[in-house]
This record gives sequence, C-alpha cells and structure tokens, in this order.
Amino acid sequence: GIQVEQSPPDLILQEGANSTLRCNFSDSVNNLQWFHQNPWGQLINLFYIPSGTKQNGRLSATTVATERYSLLYISSSQTTDSGVYFCAAASGGYQKVTFGTGTKLQVIP
Amino acid sequence: NAGVTQTPKFQVLKTGQSMTLQCAQDMNHNSMYWYRQDPGMGLRLIYYSASEGTTDKGEVPNGYNVSRLNKREFSLRLESAAPSQTSVYFCASSEALQQAYGYTFGSGTRLTVV
Repeated sequence: GIQVEQSPPDLILQEGANSTLRCNFSDSVNNLQWFHQNPWGQLINLFYIPSGTKQNGRLSATTVATERYSLLYISSSQTTDSGVYFCAAASGGYQKVTFGTGTKLQVIP
Repeated sequence: NAGVTQTPKFQVLKTGQSMTLQCAQDMNHNSMYWYRQDPGMGLRLIYYSASEGTTDKGEVPNGYNVSRLNKREFSLRLESAAPSQTSVYFCASSEALQQAYGYTFGSGTRLTVV
C-alpha cells in the first residue's frame, strides 16, 4: 500500500512563530488530508487537499501531487495549536486511507 | 450534537476475555471505519465498512471482528483479548469510502489488556 512519511517528528515553537510541516507519500493520491489531534485525543479535520492550496485562518496547506508531497503551514502559532498533526492519504487502487506517524507540536507561551 | 459516539471510553480486560466496542453515527454517512492508535505508529486501519451490509479488512485485522449492524452502527469485537491489543481505538465515518475530507472521528476508547 501507499507509504506516508511526516517530518519533523517533533517540533517546539514559541508562541507567535511560524512553522511548516511536511508529508511525503509514495504513490499518486486522489485523496490527501490533514488532521489535528488535540492534547485530549480528539481528531479534527483540517484540510482535504489532494492537490493545490487551501487556507483556513492561520493555517494553510499545499499539495504538489506530481512531486508527492504536501505541506501544512501554521502562522502566528498559539498554545491551542499544540497536539499532533497527521497527514493521511489514499490512492485510487486502494480502498483505505493510510495515516502518517504524525508531527507532535508544542507551542510554548 | 451530530457526530460519532463510541462506548465505552475506557476498559480494562484480562487476557482471554472478550468485549465489543460500540460505534454509532448520526450523520447518515455511508462508510465507517475502525482504527487503532499506538505510540509512534500513527493510526492503523483495522476494518472498514464501505456501506451498510459490507465489511472489509484493513491493515491490522487479526484478532478482531466487526459487524455493520445498520447504517448508523459499526461494532468491533475482540473475541480473546491479548496484551498486544492494548491501544486506543477510534471509530470514524465518512460520506463515501475514500472521502477523507468527510471523516468524523469519535472520541476514542482506551483499552488495556492485562
């Protein structure tokens, strides 16, 4: 199946700083998703972005499908951004979504 | 509030015991999923149901069975629990099988097998 790799595995930011999280995938995808898992364990959809660029407030994401990677940008980080960010991908020939191992983000005041 | 409801939230089992994790969604979604989350491993798909009446194995199905009881409910059963099944289990649902955009997750079940 498709392989999904995320980097960096851990990230510590000062509040107000910007960051970029990366997701590489091993095959062409028709489905690429970013999730945030908050410190209480709840998983929340952030973006559905198999290609192109989307923005939602301080967060934006870009997927370059031809080069098999996606980036999640967090600007002016806040402590509430802390948690684990997961990338998940699916390819046309597979009937399932595969998750990466996540980037653990800690934003300190 | 609309969403995915999982029960129980916490459970401790002894090796060899059985139990069923319950999941229900009220969003009229067609597809439902069971994932397990282990430290450093991300989320791994156990079983999924593309639509009512169908179920298929995911990445790590051994030791589990599922039942799609109706469109709303998708249960996960451990017939003979093993310590390796200690994990956090998440149920999710979506409008269609590969609509990750439509994924809504439950709050999880933390299972410990001793």
